[in-house]
Amino acid sequence: DVVMTQSPLSLPVTLGQPASISCRSSQSLVHSDGNTYLIWYQQRPGQSPRRLIYMVSHRDSGVPDRFSGSGSGTDFTLKISRVEAEDVGVYYCMQHIYWPHTFGQGTKLEIK
Amino acid sequence: EVQLVESGGGLAQPGGSLRLSCAVSGSTLRNSWMQWVRQAPGKGLEWVANTNPDGSGKDYVDSVKGRFTISRDNDRNTLDLQMNSLRDEDTAVYYCMKDARDWGQGTLVTVSS
Repeated sequence: DVVMTQSPLSLPVTLGQPASISCRSSQSLVHSDGNTYLIWYQQRPGQSPRRLIYMVSHRDSGVPDRFSGSGSGTDFTLKISRVEAEDVGVYYCMQHIYWPHTFGQGTKLEIK
Repeated sequence: EVQLVESGGGLAQPGGSLRLSCAVSGSTLRNSWMQWVRQAPGKGLEWVANTNPDGSGKDYVDSVKGRFTISRDNDRNTLDLQMNSLRDEDTAVYYCMKDARDWGQGTLVTVSS
């Protein structure tokens, strides 16, 4: 199975400051069709996950533009330009090019 | 707006069975890949099973192969997960997911004697 490794696992951030989460895959996530199948989800406390970013860098409708995704091949990053209180929660990356699809361990973002 | 509503969770004994259902509204399932994802208490997300749009292709995580069966009814806009030979480690909130984008609210499955 493809292993997805996130870091850090805990991320205390001051309000208004930037935050960055890394996700590394054990195999390249580039498909033969040229697309890279890497998704970022946010799970706020007590809620279902919500997709933020798909295909590495495409923001979903309604997602604030302070969220951005980047990367290629096996190394990916989710950045929040200025953390707000509503961003508290756990962030997961997921690859969906290989079966079984696999998630990272999750990064818990909290306000310092 | 797409809505996914899971049902069928509850308490089951080890070795028992449960059938989960996911009703989808606001969008047709006919062109959608559908997934079940679970989350054990206090743990991360684990992808469980997947079916392609017409239901002809199904994939499972190794730990549930031979025990769980995913199925869909595109006419009724529903997705099911038949869970047999349940184990303690299957205890989790089970989410249905559409196109790796839209999630339900989840249904809790507890396996315990």
